[in-house]
Amino acid sequence: EAQVTQNPRYLITVTGKKLTVTCSQNMNHEYMSWYRQDPGLGLRQIYYSMNVEVTDKGDVPEGYKVSRKEKRNFPLILESPSPNQTSLYFCASSPLGLAGAYNEQFFGPGTRLTVL
Amino acid sequence: EDKVVQSPLSLVVHEGDTVTLNCSYEVTNFRSLLWYKQEKKAPTFLFMLTSSGIEKKSGRLSSILDNKELFSILNITATQTGDSAVYLCVNYGGSQGNLIFGKGTKLSVKP
Repeated sequence: EAQVTQNPRYLITVTGKKLTVTCSQNMNHEYMSWYRQDPGLGLRQIYYSMNVEVTDKGDVPEGYKVSRKEKRNFPLILESPSPNQTSLYFCASSPLGLAGAYNEQFFGPGTRLTVL
Repeated sequence: EDKVVQSPLSLVVHEGDTVTLNCSYEVTNFRSLLWYKQEKKAPTFLFMLTSSGIEKKSGRLSSILDNKELFSILNITATQTGDSAVYLCVNYGGSQGNLIFGKGTKLSVKP
């Protein structure tokens, strides 16, 4: 089944304790992206990747890192989480079309992170 | 600064009503506009619009883009309670690969 998976689905942690949220897709998509969703602010892009070893900042990259060593995986790393990173996180992927990634995004199920 | 503005932010209707959701945008290097439906989980894809004036339809839902006036509308006819969701408008624009989301319109359909 074609899908985007994220782990963990729920995570409660404490300030400063490094964590990684994994994202994996089995559709051979070039484009992958991370978003956070907060009440009143909607979905905001954190980082995206157009292909292996190619990553770029989205609108809210501060406090996050990503890597794209393999096409299928795009982990989100919080080196020193803070309470303002408490949010619902989505990973998504899509195939690259002509002139860039303008195709449908396939979303993972989401990771609800709470930082105390 | 690139932006996507949706209106209204929230809407309550009764089953059978027709609704129109609005999305206006200002983005550099416009490529396409997408609509998603989000219930209590990940967004699900509805439409992608790249050409002005061409309506896309799927059942009771339809959408059209005007890339001169820089807006899109999403119409839902004969609404049902299952249409209750947040509807998201998304633009590909700005730097290549950058996605800009509107804040969404929360639609509640009452029986």
